Amino acid sequence: DAGITQSPRHKVTETGTPVTLRCHQTENHRYMYWYRQDPGHGLRLIHYSYGVKDTDKGEVSDGYSVSRSKTEDFLLTLESATSSQTSVYFCAISGGLAGPDTQYFGPGTRLTVL
Amino acid sequence: QKEVEQDPGPLSVPEGAIVSLNCTYSNSAFQYFMWYRQYSRKGPELLMYTYSSGNKEDGRFTAQVDKSSKYISLFIRDSQPSDSATYLCAMRENTGANSKLTFGKGITLSVRP
Repeated sequence: DAGITQSPRHKVTETGTPVTLRCHQTENHRYMYWYRQDPGHGLRLIHYSYGVKDTDKGEVSDGYSVSRSKTEDFLLTLESATSSQTSVYFCAISGGLAGPDTQYFGPGTRLTVL
Repeated sequence: QKEVEQDPGPLSVPEGAIVSLNCTYSNSAFQYFMWYRQYSRKGPELLMYTYSSGNKEDGRFTAQVDKSSKYISLFIRDSQPSDSATYLCAMRENTGANSKLTFGKGITLSVRP
């Protein structure tokens, strides 16, 4: 998975609790992304980062925030989890020798909000 | 109409068959086209990346783009059980990390031994 790890890999939480997912890369790629994957919707971009402390919203950013204080780490926070945020979350990176267009995905985090 | 439509599947074929996977799109600004393969409970991995209309071949895989018809295809020759996975098409308007990648919903392929 191109030097990308995600933690935790599985999480079950309750509605209203905060949740933070971590993406860690060892490739020193500049760009990092968070997607969610749901049946019937495919992959949808939540937020992305184009450098340390530089982030922007994707198409489904409501209810999510992100932070990137180091090149290697990109955190996704659900401030107050809801059942609609039950999903599989994927981190992706790009910007290495293959250029900014080639995105490499991590193994995913399966989140269940009860 | 969604920006990217992909045959819903699932698709089941015998080993050795030729498989054709297709996506249509409505946004004529899309210029870059990709196919990702995703094994069960894994992240997607890039399989093919094309820019212009025409065919691009890589081993048993051929990606075809027809911009005039807004149609892309992935052909798999001599399909193997190891090809069993979900295939997602993806496309973008421009190069660069800030250009959003739009995905199809994916189609699940099963190759029977």
